[in-house]
Amino acid sequence: DQQVKQNSPSLSVQEGRISILNCDYTNSMFDYFLWYKKYPAEGPTFLISISSIKDKNEDGRFTVFLNKSAKHLSLHIVPSQPGDSAVYFCAASEGGATNKLIFGTGTLLAVQP
Amino acid sequence: DSGVTQTPKHLITATGQRVTLRCSPRSGDLSVYWYQQSLDQGLQFLIQYYNGEERAKGNILERFSAQQFPDLHSELNLSSLELGDSALYFCASSVLSGANTGELFFGEGSRLTVL
Repeated sequence: DQQVKQNSPSLSVQEGRISILNCDYTNSMFDYFLWYKKYPAEGPTFLISISSIKDKNEDGRFTVFLNKSAKHLSLHIVPSQPGDSAVYFCAASEGGATNKLIFGTGTLLAVQP
Repeated sequence: DSGVTQTPKHLITATGQRVTLRCSPRSGDLSVYWYQQSLDQGLQFLIQYYNGEERAKGNILERFSAQQFPDLHSELNLSSLELGDSALYFCASSVLSGANTGELFFGEGSRLTVL
């Protein structure tokens, strides 16, 4: 059973425009949500996170929004740059003693110059 | 560079064989996590060790096992390999078992191909 879902396998946007990546989850016990970026032949790298007690977290061009009632989060990238082209993974954690992350299947973002 | 080192980067082997993947966590990190990424799949959590002790188990097959040594490096052993075991295997580390920030630091992965 897929607790974290990214229903869009790919997304293409023009440079300078907004990129919106979406993620849905089913487990209401998740207390932390993260976005990771992955380039080919590299490991995932942490991008931004949000606690379940917040509804928005911003870091430069990246903003994550959390809608707990809808069990939905999104990552906004404004303005998008060609260097943002990568696979973006949504992940969630129940925290507690393990801190293990449950990942979605990823969305491939292509930013066209 | 995340500070997490995985070896080997690539490995090709035959069905029925056994391989060992190695991971050195970031300096100071006590927790090591293993993930599997198959084609078109997300990262599937396999197992976590914290300071030498198994802390959490995910969808890890019985043919797979792992351990964390006193120097905190970890090894993932895959035996009786099948074609479907071909995947990228990632190791990640974090400072604490329950850091409450969720951030893990990933290595570059070991790509296993079973022929």
